[in-house]
Order: sequence, then structure tokens, then C-alpha cells
Amino acid sequence: GESVGLHLPTLSVQEGDNSIINCAYSNSASDYFIWYKQESGKGPQFIIDIRSNMDKRQGQRVTVLLNKTVKHLSLQIAATQPGDSAVYFCAERPRYSSASKIIFGSGTRLSIRP
Amino acid sequence: ETGVTQSPTHLIKTRGQQVTLRCSSQSGHNTVSWYQQALGQGPQFIFQYYREEENGRGNFPPRFSGLQFPNYSSELNVNALELDDSALYLCASSRGLAGDERRTRTQYFGPGTRLLVL
Repeated sequence: GESVGLHLPTLSVQEGDNSIINCAYSNSASDYFIWYKQESGKGPQFIIDIRSNMDKRQGQRVTVLLNKTVKHLSLQIAATQPGDSAVYFCAERPRYSSASKIIFGSGTRLSIRP
Repeated sequence: ETGVTQSPTHLIKTRGQQVTLRCSSQSGHNTVSWYQQALGQGPQFIFQYYREEENGRGNFPPRFSGLQFPNYSSELNVNALELDDSALYLCASSRGLAGDERRTRTQYFGPGTRLLVL
């Protein structure tokens, strides 16, 4: 069935270190992947996306890596700051869907140690 | 801020009642998607509206229905509320891709409406 899962439900990182959040997906038909950040009491905030014809994409302090062979997605955050504390969701869009149905994982909570 | 607004921010209803939630999409976006997010879980796709018509639906019963208006704003209606309907309801707007506008790219979310059913 369709599912997007995460290896770790929580991640604690020292301020200033790099964070790596991992995600496994099972739907090989997905053609588009997104990372969202959700802070308490807010809606998900778009961070970065990647299409299935790419394996790496960089943004400001963030990098997304896609490994289609093992169906793995990761989000790297450089020099983690207190403001990065949030729940991070990976999400995928199935290619066969006429609508832009996005399937979310259950999320990873990132906490920053001072 | 994404420019997507939702109302109300919070709502308390009792079982069996009906509720209407509203969403205004970001300027230039013609597609609105609705999601349900239970506590501690990721959002679940309810349905999507494109040019005032439903364009895809998730695994939600017919008592979940919606509308999209000519200005692309949208409503989510839930009839016969159940306790399990308590959740954060999220609206996301997006713009269709050239050549196939029903397939859109980035979805931008509003702050959500938190619904509590007692």
C-alpha cells in the first residue's frame, strides 16, 4: 500500500551541528517529494522539494537527497539553530493521481540542545 | 506567511452536528486541497478542488464534502460529526502546472482550524 515512513520519531541535535532527518517511502510510482516543517500551533511550512528525476537539491541551509533505488529521502539542515525546532514531515505525490494528493509521513520531532 | 487563511481558528461542536470550515487561497492559486491532521500524526488528504470541481478524493466518507467558489476560496463541510473527527483541518492552495493544470506543484498550507467534537 501507499505509505511514507520515518526511521526515527525524535531527533536531538546540538545547536550548530548538522541535522539529518531520514524518510523511507514505499510507492515507487511517486514523482515528487517534499519536506515540510510544522511548528506548534501552525500549519506545515514548505521547506524544499525534489522531483524524481533528480537525486539532490540544495536550498538555504537545507539539502534534500533522494535515493530511488532504496526508496529513501533525507533532509540535511546545516548549522542547526533553535528556530529549527519543529516536527518535520516528508511527503510524496503518486504519479498516477490526477489530483495533487500528497501522502505525508508521521513526522520527526527535531529538538535542539543549547 | 503563505497567504492562505482559514476560519475559524478553533471550533467546538457536539456529536451529530454539522460544521463548515473556510479557506482563502493564495493569490494566483486555482487549486485548494483539504487535509485532516489528527494529534501526533501527519496530515491525511481529504479532497482537492480545481476550478470549482472536486479533483481527487482520499479515504473519507461522503459526509465530508466541499465547495470551491469562483474566487478559488473553498469550504469544507462535515455532517453528522463523530468524536474521531476531532483534528486540525488544513487547507492548502497551489497553482496548476502548465500543460496539465490539475497536476500542481507546491502546496502552501494555512494555519488550520482546530475542531473538537464532544
